[in-house]
Amino acid sequence: AQKVTQAQTEISVVEKEDVTLDCVYETRDTTYYLFWYKQPPSGELVFLIRRNSFDEQNEISGRYSWNFQKSTSSFNFTITASQVVDSAVYFCALSGEHTGGFKTIFGAGTRLFVKA
Amino acid sequence: KAGVTQTPRYLIKTRGQQVTLSCSPISGHRSVSWYQQTPGQGLQFLFEYFSETQRNKGNFPGRFSGRQFSNSRSEMNVSTLELGDSALYLCASSLDRPHYGYTFGSGTRLTVV
Repeated sequence: AQKVTQAQTEISVVEKEDVTLDCVYETRDTTYYLFWYKQPPSGELVFLIRRNSFDEQNEISGRYSWNFQKSTSSFNFTITASQVVDSAVYFCALSGEHTGGFKTIFGAGTRLFVKA
Repeated sequence: KAGVTQTPRYLIKTRGQQVTLSCSPISGHRSVSWYQQTPGQGLQFLFEYFSETQRNKGNFPGRFSGRQFSNSRSEMNVSTLELGDSALYLCASSLDRPHYGYTFGSGTRLTVV
C-alpha cells in the first residue's frame, strides 16, 4: 500500500522554539519522491522541498531542515527558531509508480501554531 | 512569471446544480492535477491531465469530470451537486510528471447549500 502518515495532528509551540514535524511513508517502489508543502491560512499550498529515494542527504534551507531516512521510511521536517509566520498546515507527500503513476498522495497534514 | 490561476475563488451553488471550475497553469507546464480538500478527508486526488488527455483518475463518482485544452488550461465540472461536494478545490500544475513537484493555485471554495 502507498501511504503517508503524519501522526501529529496539531502542534503548538512558542516563538523561537524548535519543532519537528514527523512523516512516515509506505511504498513498494524503489524509485519514489517525497515532498513537503506548506498551506498558510490563505489556502494555497506552497512547495518546500522534493527528495528522491536515492538521495538520503539531509538538507538545510535557512531555518528549515529535512531528515530523510530510508531505513525507517521517514522524512521529517524541522523548523529551527520558529516564528509566528511559520503557523500553517504542513503536508508530507509521496509520488511514485505505485501511487498511480501520475499523482501525488498527501498525508493528513500537521497544523502548527506558533505563539508569540 | 504568473502562478497558477484558479477562477472563481468562491462559489455558492444549490444542490442539484452543476458547476465548472477553471485553472490556468504556469506557462510551460503541461500537467494539471485537481484535488479536493475537505476537513474530514484531507487532500483527495481527482484527476490529472497532460496534453489534453486524462492520465490518471482518483476514486470519485462520474459526476466529477474534467478536460484540458490545447493551451494547457483545464476545467473541472461537477454535475448534480451534493452537500458533500462542499470543499476547497485545488489545481496544481507541473512541468510533466507530478514527481517534479506541484505549483498550486489558491483554490476555489465551493459551498453547496
